Amino acid sequence: AQSVSQHNHHVILSEAASLELGCNYSYGGTVNLFWYVQYPGQHLQLLLKYFSGDPLVKGIKGFEAEFIKSKFSFNLRKPSVQWSDTAEYFCAVYDDKIIFGKGTRLHILP
Amino acid sequence: EAGVTQFPSHSVIEKGQTVTLRCDPISGHDNLYWYRRVMGKEIKFLLHFVKESKQDESGMPNNRFLAERTGGTYSTLKVQPAELEDSGVYFCASSLVWGNEQFFGPGTRLTVL
Repeated sequence: AQSVSQHNHHVILSEAASLELGCNYSYGGTVNLFWYVQYPGQHLQLLLKYFSGDPLVKGIKGFEAEFIKSKFSFNLRKPSVQWSDTAEYFCAVYDDKIIFGKGTRLHILP
Repeated sequence: EAGVTQFPSHSVIEKGQTVTLRCDPISGHDNLYWYRRVMGKEIKFLLHFVKESKQDESGMPNNRFLAERTGGTYSTLKVQPAELEDSGVYFCASSLVWGNEQFFGPGTRLTVL
């Protein structure tokens, strides 16, 4: 069965630090990959997605992710985080339905 | 444009009772999905409607769960009778195109005592 693994369950950073959240998936076919984010008290919303083409994907709020097929990875990055990035982040793969990772809670210290 | 809405936002019931959750998708979205997140676990797929038809219900935990989408608009998810392990947050999502971005509702937090 397809699965998504997120490396960190809880990350604490100071403002302006760089961020990388790890994500690996197990799926041998063509993949559609997503990062979703849930800010406190808000809906899950799409941060960015990869369907095909350039493996470096730009998303909202300065986030980007790189699809590395050989490593089955889709890590999320942001060069300089802000306090407002405090949220829970979910990596996901689409296989007729969305398969989510367990989520990473990111806490940014002001 | 209104997003996906869910009702109620919270529900607290006792074991053995019945609860019905409602989801209103974005207008015009034929695809509607239900997901559930049990505390400490990942968000898991329950089922997928295309209009009023169940496209995939492979994630439904057992026959205590019944989802409907009469008329292809809003959907309901009924749990009868509820058990303790049914506690969690139930998310609904909708999409215009199968396989494309899904828009999520705020979720219904269900607590079974």
